[in-house]
Amino acid sequence: AQSVTQPDIHITVSEGASLELRCNYSYGATPYLFWYVQSPGQGLQLLLKYFSGDTLVQGIKGFEAEFKRSQSSFNLRKPSVHWSDAAEYFCAVPRMTGRRALTFGSGTRLQVQP
Amino acid sequence: DAGVTQSPTHLIKTRGQQVTLRCSPISGHKSVSWYQQVLGQGPQFIFQYYEKEERGRGNFPDRFSARQFPNYSSELNVNALLLGDSALYLCASSLGQFTDTQYFGPGTRLTVL
Repeated sequence: AQSVTQPDIHITVSEGASLELRCNYSYGATPYLFWYVQSPGQGLQLLLKYFSGDTLVQGIKGFEAEFKRSQSSFNLRKPSVHWSDAAEYFCAVPRMTGRRALTFGSGTRLQVQP
Repeated sequence: DAGVTQSPTHLIKTRGQQVTLRCSPISGHKSVSWYQQVLGQGPQFIFQYYEKEERGRGNFPDRFSARQFPNYSSELNVNALLLGDSALYLCASSLGQFTDTQYFGPGTRLTVL
């Protein structure tokens, strides 16, 4: 069965510092991969997605992610964090059955210090 | 274009009651999925509907049911509510192509007392 692991429950960075959020997946084939962001009490907004091709994917709000097949990882990065980036971040892969639905990781909460 | 809309925004029920949550997908999207997000966790898949047929079901009890209407809107019903059903219920829509992107609504916050 598919699964997603986000090892970091909570990360704190200073504004202007770089950011990397980790995501590891288990999947029976080359997966499609997604990163979503959720502000408190809100729904999920798609940041970026990997379907195929270039393993470095650019998203909205200055985020990027790199797919590394050998490490089963899809880490999210941003070179300079802004206070407005404080939120919860979720990595997701499609379910093996009902393949238009998603399996999510448990999330990483990002706190930004001034 | 309007995004995914959900109603109501908040809901308070007592144990044993029944609740109906509603979702309208993005115009042109034919697939709707429902997720439950308990505080501090990632969303958990409940149901997926495509072209008015159930196409996937997560590991939830039979107290949970859903349907999709001819206009592709959807309802999620939960019977005999338990305290543990308190959560944010998220609806997502997608075009319905193979493993395409899901777009989420703002959610309905259900509190069971």
